[in-house]
Amino acid sequence: AQSVTQLGSHVSVSEGALVLLRCNYSSSVPPYLFWYVQYPNQGLQLLLKYTTGATLVKGINGFEAEFKKSETSFHLTKPSAHMSDAAEYFCAVRLASGGYQKVTFGTGTKLQVIP
Amino acid sequence: SQTIHQWPATLVQPVGSPLSLECTVEGTSNPNLYWYRQAAGRGLQLLFYSVGIGQISSEVPQNLSASRPQDRQFILSSKKLLLSDSGFYLCAWRRDDRGNTEAFFGQGTRLTVV
Repeated sequence: AQSVTQLGSHVSVSEGALVLLRCNYSSSVPPYLFWYVQYPNQGLQLLLKYTTGATLVKGINGFEAEFKKSETSFHLTKPSAHMSDAAEYFCAVRLASGGYQKVTFGTGTKLQVIP
Repeated sequence: SQTIHQWPATLVQPVGSPLSLECTVEGTSNPNLYWYRQAAGRGLQLLFYSVGIGQISSEVPQNLSASRPQDRQFILSSKKLLLSDSGFYLCAWRRDDRGNTEAFFGQGTRLTVV
């Protein structure tokens, strides 16, 4: 079975503090990993993705994530939270099924930024 | 550039009424198309996907159906809505079915069945 787990459905940080959103996956094939952000009542927008190559991936809005194979993790970080970062964040993993490669999403983590 | 349009943005429908949500993609050809439903605390549930005209794969048996009458049009339907159909529905497209391509999402439809 292949899945993705996001630890913590809600995370609160102070403005200017480090943001750390956790994602662990399980996959029987080399994973492709994604982070998306969703603002209220909107669709999802890609923040960053890891497919191959450098394990530290930089995305938009100052976010980055590091693929750690030994820990089966792809945690999302940002050094300094901004009020505009308040949103829901989804981790996703490539799910191979026969000839069609589906992507499955985690249950999401809502980030609250406290002024 | 590619754009995806999804409508309506919000919808309130009585139980037992029909449903039709439409999604269109512009600026690309032969996209892979998806319908997701998002429920609070449950992430995104893939409902249907399509790799071409008339080709629909269903992920979860339910009260809904999907159709792809044109290359860049994807429709989500129901003949009789249930209360449990309420949720936030998202349409998305990808360039191909390789696992390393990201999805592009529409703005979503908030469906409330009353």
